Amino acid sequence: EGQLLESGGGLAQPGGSLRLSCSASGFSSGNFGMSWVRQAPGKGLEWVSAISGSGVMTYYADSVKGRFAISRDNSGNTVYLQMNSLRAEDTALYYCAKGIWEFDYWGQGILVTVSS
Amino acid sequence: SSELTQDPAVSVALGQTVTITCQGDSLRKYFPSWYQQKSGRAPTLVIFGKNNRPSGIPDRFSGSTSGNTASLTITGAQAEDEADYYCNSRDSSGYRFSVFGPGTKVTVL
Repeated sequence: EGQLLESGGGLAQPGGSLRLSCSASGFSSGNFGMSWVRQAPGKGLEWVSAISGSGVMTYYADSVKGRFAISRDNSGNTVYLQMNSLRAEDTALYYCAKGIWEFDYWGQGILVTVSS
Repeated sequence: SSELTQDPAVSVALGQTVTITCQGDSLRKYFPSWYQQKSGRAPTLVIFGKNNRPSGIPDRFSGSTSGNTASLTITGAQAEDEADYYCNSRDSSGYRFSVFGPGTKVTVL
């Protein structure tokens, strides 16, 4: 059974950067699109970004466009989310999910806190 | 509009049927997917496509769509079904790629 494991979260200052990683096991992530979804404390789910199986196509929510970059290393079965120019409103639990339109596997999430 | 709307909360008596709705223009063109999120846990896909359940999802969960409204029905709700439920859809407006509804809190009495 497939599993996803996020890493790289933590505390960042406003204007700072973090890079999240999502390691896939039990399936070859290179065959599937992958996405990042976040959930601010006490709030609902917000789709953040997605990348095609080949890595050629990338998509972003307006709230992160120009600041975040999604990428993947299919040989290492890993998807990344480079987060720059972080804002307080980026504070959330970030989930990695398998899929572009339907998310059938989810990681347990990694907490990102943006605060001075 | 590219947004999806859901009722904030619904309650259902144990063993009874509850329907959660999701409204949005994109649902006229695309089937939604539905996610269950129990407290402190990652979301789980429960319905996708016209009315498909992933392996392991009980058949008391079903989905349907009519016009701009999609519905998730739990027939014979169990205590373990108490959770937040989110719909998600592609965006048909061209302004967004993917969008989640605000979620519905289901309480099983």
